[in-house]
Amino acid sequence: NAGVTQTPKFQVLKTGQSMTLQCAQDMNHEYMSWYRQDPGMGLRLIHYSVGAGITDQGEVPNGYNVSRSTTEDFPLRLLSAAPSQTSVYFCASRRGGETQYFGPGTRLLVL
Amino acid sequence: EDQVTQSPEALRLQEGESSSLNCSYTVSGLRGLFWYRQDPGKGPEFLFTLYSAGEEKEKERLKATLTKKESFLHITAPKPEDSATYLCAVQHLNDYKLSFGAGTTVTVRA
Repeated sequence: NAGVTQTPKFQVLKTGQSMTLQCAQDMNHEYMSWYRQDPGMGLRLIHYSVGAGITDQGEVPNGYNVSRSTTEDFPLRLLSAAPSQTSVYFCASRRGGETQYFGPGTRLLVL
Repeated sequence: EDQVTQSPEALRLQEGESSSLNCSYTVSGLRGLFWYRQDPGKGPEFLFTLYSAGEEKEKERLKATLTKKESFLHITAPKPEDSATYLCAVQHLNDYKLSFGAGTTVTVRA
């Protein structure tokens, strides 16, 4: 069991570039989420999915896009990167209301 | 609006010096309260879930307690390896979403 995996671990982008952060889980969890973590602000929910084909917005969705075509994968797309999106991004998954497990994170720097 | 506030922001302890971290919350309907540990450069790691006031959970030197308004994470006789950021999160009754506090960074000196 690899749990929740994320790629890449670190990425540098220029303003205006686009990219996709990958997230996969092998626990057959229906619920997957993306968070960003900024100093002093805690983890904030960007988007989440309650199953394949179903996604919804979280607290800070602007500038991000998601899709969920399979149970295992939940990629996060940055459409046109901005310096304000410099952050550490975590993907998480769980089954229903049970314990949520986090991936190792992707550190993103937008210049 | 739901709020989760953790205090203090940072805590420096001498090895063996016990202390407590606080997580106070206001939420429309609480299903559960979670504690996570986060090491630098890593993702949060699950520690405990508490569901009802009066409940307590223990793991090694850590003990979590819950009241109707707050939770405490007690660290007894800490060791340097207990140094980490501890995150508190409340789970909403209706949609199971988690709302996180900003965390308490604990540093334990040998």
